[in-house]
Amino acid sequence: QKEVEQNSGPLSVPEGAIASLNCTYSDRGSQSFFWYRQYSGKSPELIMSIYSNGDKEDGRFTAQLNKASQYVSLLIRDSQPSDSATYLCAVKEKKSSGDKLTFGTGTRLAVRP
Amino acid sequence: DTEVTQTPKHLVMGMTNKKSLKCEQHMGHRAMYWYKQKAKKPPELMFVYSYEKLSINESVPSRFSPECPNSSLLNLHLHALQPEDSALYLCASSQGPGQSYEQYFGPGTRLTVT
Repeated sequence: QKEVEQNSGPLSVPEGAIASLNCTYSDRGSQSFFWYRQYSGKSPELIMSIYSNGDKEDGRFTAQLNKASQYVSLLIRDSQPSDSATYLCAVKEKKSSGDKLTFGTGTRLAVRP
Repeated sequence: DTEVTQTPKHLVMGMTNKKSLKCEQHMGHRAMYWYKQKAKKPPELMFVYSYEKLSINESVPSRFSPECPNSSLLNLHLHALQPEDSALYLCASSQGPGQSYEQYFGPGTRLTVT
C-alpha cells in the first residue's frame, strides 16, 4: 500500500469552477500535511499547510483535513488557467531515521479557458 | 522572504567529471534537504542536514557527497555519475527540529549526465 495516494488525473475543470484535489495517507500518527503546486519544469511551491481537523482557507484555496478518515483535500475556487499544474500532497511522517516528508505522486490539474 | 537559491540552473557532465551543486538560504532555517526528482515523479529525499549535521542519508550512492559548510549553505558534490542520475536536483529548507516543517524549495538544478 502506498503511503500517500493521489489520483494522477488529469483533472479537467472549466475556468471559474471549483477544483477538488484529494489525498489519502496511511500513517495514522501523521500530524502535518502540505500541498505543493508544481508547474511543468519548475520546482514545487508550498501553497498550504494544515495541522488540525477541519478547513483552512487562504484566498481561493481551502485545505481540508480529516484525520479519522486519513484524508486531506485541496479546493481551488474560481479556477484559472494559471492554476493548471501538478498538485503534490505531502505528509510529514516519523521514520526510524527521522522525520520526513512523504509525497504523493501528484494530481495534474488542467483548467480549460 | 522564502527564497532558496540554487546554482547552476543547468549542468551537463560526463561520467568521469566532478562537479558540485550549491544551495543557499537566508531565512535562518536550520534544516536543509537535497531531493532528486525524475520526470513525472514526486521528489525523492536524498539527504537531510539538521543544525549543520547530516541526520538522514537515504542510502544514496557514494558518488553523491553532501556538505553543509554553514547554516546557510548546502553543497552536493558529484563524481562518476551514471546517465540514470540525470534528474532535477532540488534543495529545500525548513525552520528545524521541533519547529514548522514547512519546506521551501529552490528552483533546482537540471542535471544531465552524458
